[in-house]
Amino acid sequence: AQKVTQAQTEISVVEKEDVTLDCVYETRDTTYYLFWYKQPPSGELVFLIRRNSFDEQNEISGRYSWNFQKSTSSFNFTITASQVVDSAVYFCALNSGGGADGLTFGKGTHLIIQP
Amino acid sequence: KAGVTQTPRYLIKTRGQQVTLSCSPISGHRSVSWYQQTPGQGLQFLFEYFSETQRNKGNFPGRFSGRQFSNSRSEMNVSTLELGDSALYLCASSLQVSNQPQHFGDGTRLSIL
Repeated sequence: AQKVTQAQTEISVVEKEDVTLDCVYETRDTTYYLFWYKQPPSGELVFLIRRNSFDEQNEISGRYSWNFQKSTSSFNFTITASQVVDSAVYFCALNSGGGADGLTFGKGTHLIIQP
Repeated sequence: KAGVTQTPRYLIKTRGQQVTLSCSPISGHRSVSWYQQTPGQGLQFLFEYFSETQRNKGNFPGRFSGRQFSNSRSEMNVSTLELGDSALYLCASSLQVSNQPQHFGDGTRLSIL
């Protein structure tokens, strides 16, 4: 069975602060894929990143960065110099078992950026 | 490039009725997945279709079904609606398999009275 845990239900920070969203996953498969999605108030899930289990390189995209550590089964997401537009619910998700099992999502972290 | 299109955006039904939701994937995408989102259970995988075949199904009762057409468009059907079926239903498409980046539609919000 696979599982994704996002322990932080809600985080509130002031604009320009850095914030890290935690994601811990469980799977017995050696090949798997991890994802982050953003869900703004409009409801559409927006794809942010995909990482496969064989690539532990950290990734940076503008103000966003991701830290993947297999040793701790974590795939954390950091927003640097947060902005009000970053306010949304962020979901971490896992896909394993050959790709046909769909995504297993965490419960999401509601990020509030205050001006 | 047009994104994933779901229709209708909102739907109100009563218990015992049935409903059909529609999803048009991104052009060229052949895999379509459906998810149910509720405040209590979060996002849960319903099923995935590829080349008109259901490849996998999540832990949902048989009242939930779907199909995919030759143009990759997909429909999901829920029969004998229950109050607990009230949810946001999201459709996602990807090129071949669901471990590739999935692109989601805006969803259909289903309310059961």
